[in-house]
Amino acid sequence: NAGVMQNPRHLVRRRGQEARLRCSPMKGHSHVYWYRQLPEEGLKFMVYLQKENIIDESGMPKERFSAEFPKEGPSILRIQQVVRGDSAAYFCASSPRSAGPQETQYFGPGTRLLVL
Amino acid sequence: AQSVTQPDIHITVSEGASLELRCNYSYGATPYLFWYVQSPGQGLQLLLKYFSGDTLVQGIKGFEAEFKRSQSSFNLRKPSVHWSDAAEYFCAVGRMDSSYKLIFGSGTRLLVRP
Repeated sequence: NAGVMQNPRHLVRRRGQEARLRCSPMKGHSHVYWYRQLPEEGLKFMVYLQKENIIDESGMPKERFSAEFPKEGPSILRIQQVVRGDSAAYFCASSPRSAGPQETQYFGPGTRLLVL
Repeated sequence: AQSVTQPDIHITVSEGASLELRCNYSYGATPYLFWYVQSPGQGLQLLLKYFSGDTLVQGIKGFEAEFKRSQSSFNLRKPSVHWSDAAEYFCAVGRMDSSYKLIFGSGTRLLVRP
């Protein structure tokens, strides 16, 4: 049973380019969370999605960031016109069918984004 | 607002020594508490979690944590540390709202002396 998969593991972009981060949840999981980890900091919640729905995007920056979780395929976190401050590790987590605080979130290995 | 505080940024212990990592939380209701471990360049692995019941929780790799409501604490312990335990440890609280997102502390980096 494969775990949460993220790709790419490392991504280098120049300022102004777009970054697309992909997350495939564990089999049978329909809830996806994205977190960002800035250097020397803990993880900060960005967005929570279910299939075809954004449930909570209270942690997403208001501009340039968007997320989706289509009916088919992985969840995508998209960052347009990247800036150096976007350099961070981006983690995806998934949880099973019903979600809830008692459901464990399983984390992927992360995508480390470096903006030059 | 909910918050999680891990007061120790770095901790160094000798291999075989005991370990306690501190975690304090601020939350208005009964918290759902987690400890995760992150090895360098890796994702997070769940060590243990507390929802209710016995306040002493056993986890993987020989770790345990104790929930103390009166102190708003959820400290992680291990009686004998192994070199492979060197990693970063994160305490988190789960919110009881529509998203159940996790609020993380800033982490404690554990170094193990041979």
